[in-house]
Amino acid sequence: GNSVTQMEGPVTLSEEAFLTINCTYTATGYPSLFWYVQYPGEGLQLLLKATKADDKGSNKGFEATYRKETTSFHLEKGSVQVSDSAVYFCALREGGSYIPTFGRGTSLIVHP
Amino acid sequence: DGGITQSPKYLFRKEGQNVTLSCEQNLNHDAMYWYRQDPGQGLRLIYYSQIVNDFQKGDIAEGYSVSREKKESFPLTVTSAQKNPTAFYLCASSSGWRSTDTQYFGPGTRLTVL
Repeated sequence: GNSVTQMEGPVTLSEEAFLTINCTYTATGYPSLFWYVQYPGEGLQLLLKATKADDKGSNKGFEATYRKETTSFHLEKGSVQVSDSAVYFCALREGGSYIPTFGRGTSLIVHP
Repeated sequence: DGGITQSPKYLFRKEGQNVTLSCEQNLNHDAMYWYRQDPGQGLRLIYYSQIVNDFQKGDIAEGYSVSREKKESFPLTVTSAQKNPTAFYLCASSSGWRSTDTQYFGPGTRLTVL
């Protein structure tokens, strides 16, 4: 079956530091890959996505590249802000399935 | 604005009582979902519905029930058979079964059993 593995959190950074959150996946077909963000007390919202190999998704300074050869979709940001503190979920979805596969989430804490 | 609404945001219930969580969407999406979120456990799928009048059990359906009488509505009932109902419940929707279909989430309902 499909699976998504994310690095354990929490990830704790100082403001303006570089962020990487690792995500690797296992899939039987050709999935699309997603990063969702959940701010405290809220639902998830789409941060970015990539639908095929070598695509780069980007939004709000965050980026992730779909790497088929390493089955990875690592999330990066060059300079984090306190307002980026949230839980980040990596997910995949294959065509023909109504059910996405989510990772367990990685908590990010950014200190001033 | 299109989106998903969940009500109430906070819900308290006594042990042994059934309670229904509301979920409404105006995105014209066919598929709707209910997830449970516990600290450190990510998202777990309770039920999903591909189309009106049809729904399927997810990974943790025991103690829960749903209905899908209207396209825009997918209420979740937490029954007294659910042993540990205290959790954060998230409703979601998506347009269909394509790999590129994004899930849209509501703001969540936090249920506490007293």
